[in-house]
Amino acid sequence: EVQLVESGGGLVKPGGSLRLSCSDSEFSFSPYSMNWVRQAPGKGLEWVSFISSSSNVIYYADSVKGRFTISRDNAKNSLYLEMNSLRAEDTALYYCARDGSGYRLLDSWGQGTQVTVSS
Amino acid sequence: QSALTQPASVSGSPGQSITISCTGTSSDVGGYELVSWFQQFPGKAPKLLIYAVSNRPSGVSNRFSGSKSDNTASLTISGLQAEDEADYYCSSYTDATTRVFGGGTKVTVL
Repeated sequence: EVQLVESGGGLVKPGGSLRLSCSDSEFSFSPYSMNWVRQAPGKGLEWVSFISSSSNVIYYADSVKGRFTISRDNAKNSLYLEMNSLRAEDTALYYCARDGSGYRLLDSWGQGTQVTVSS
Repeated sequence: QSALTQPASVSGSPGQSITISCTGTSSDVGGYELVSWFQQFPGKAPKLLIYAVSNRPSGVSNRFSGSKSDNTASLTISGLQAEDEADYYCSSYTDATTRVFGGGTKVTVL
C-alpha cells in the first residue's frame, strides 16, 4: 500500500525558506509523476507543482512560480519542495500526491506537513 | 489559473441522490477526459473517488458516479448515507499547467 509521508514543515518568518520532503518506504517512486498540493486553513485544495517521473517536465502554479522549486531523487525514493521568499499566504498544509497509472491522477496522498509563515 | 466552479454546499436526506457540479472551460474540463473527484473528511487527506471522468478506483462504493457534458462535470452520490457527509473537490487536467481544483462542496446529510 502506498504510504506517502511528508516532513519539513514548520514556523518561518516572511521572506524565509523551508524545504519539504516526501517519501514512501513501500513503493518505488521512479515510475510515477508526483505533485505538491496545499490547503490553507479552512480553504480548498490548491495544486502547487508537478514533476514527471524523470524530472524532465516540471510545472508550477502562478502563485509560487519563481519562489518554489520541485525536485526528486528516485534513488532515495524522495520528492522535495524548496520554498523561498515565503509569504503569509503560503501558510497551508502541504500534501504530496502521486499520479497513478491509467490516468489515476493524484491517486495517493500523504497526511501533509504544516507550513506557517508568520512574524 | 482560475479554479473550477463548484456549489459551496449541497444537502440531501438519507437514501436520496444528490449531484455536485463542476464547471470549467474548454481548456480544462471540456478539453480533456481527465476530471477527478476527491472526498475529504475534516483533518484527513483527500481520497480519490473518481478518475478520468467516470472511473472508480477499487474499493470505492458504486454509489459514487461521475459524468461530464461539455465544460461541466458532475459527481452523483446515490443512496445518500450519513457517512457521505464530507467535502468534495473536483479536479481537471488543464492546458495551462497540469491541474486545477474546484473550490469544494460541503455535503450535508439532513
